[in-house]
Amino acid sequence: DAGITQSPRHKVTETGTPVTLRCHQTENHRYMYWYRQDPGHGLRLIHYSYGVKDTDKGEVSDGYSVSRSKTEDFLLTLESATSSQTSVYFCAIRVTSGGSNEQFFGPGTRLTVL
Amino acid sequence: DAKTTQPPSMDCAEGRAANLPCNHSTISGNEYVYWYRQIHSQGPQYIIHGLKNNETNEMASLIITEDRKSSTLILPHATLRDTAVYYCIVRAQTGANNLFFGTGTRLTVIP
Repeated sequence: DAGITQSPRHKVTETGTPVTLRCHQTENHRYMYWYRQDPGHGLRLIHYSYGVKDTDKGEVSDGYSVSRSKTEDFLLTLESATSSQTSVYFCAIRVTSGGSNEQFFGPGTRLTVL
Repeated sequence: DAKTTQPPSMDCAEGRAANLPCNHSTISGNEYVYWYRQIHSQGPQYIIHGLKNNETNEMASLIITEDRKSSTLILPHATLRDTAVYYCIVRAQTGANNLFFGTGTRLTVIP
């Protein structure tokens, strides 16, 4: 699992409430990613980080913000959750070795917004 | 990143080889072909990748056509645990390396 954990694993919240999901890695990888997965869409990139305090938007970034104050943690925040943000959220890290770049994914967080 | 086209679903008998095709006709010269799979409710799992030569590892083989416009992932002896959605992705090795997932191929291994 490349030392990736996500918390919480499951969360139910109400529309309009703030939600923060945490991704934690133990191997000091530079790149980290947040994806969401919905039926019929595969995985879609929300935001990614290429270092401490360095982040950029993905294809579905509206309604989400991220922060990376230290290498091991990448936080995804929904400032005011909406029902359309009900999804499964996956965090990933990029491992670079021998000239290749693979991404390894965490176990996912299932978020339900009522 | 180049787009890929995969069949939505396939079946394979247990113990037989599973051959999963992928078309990537707009692939650029610096883009690699990656395969990931996702077993139900788990995070995607890296399988294999290649640029232009055929590749093999402990999980699978990757056959890339000479013009690089298509590829085939081969699971030589499919087991029930190989039932999953398989994603073919093409991307360059530089930059953010975002993975653009399509809807993949749902492989069902039948006993």
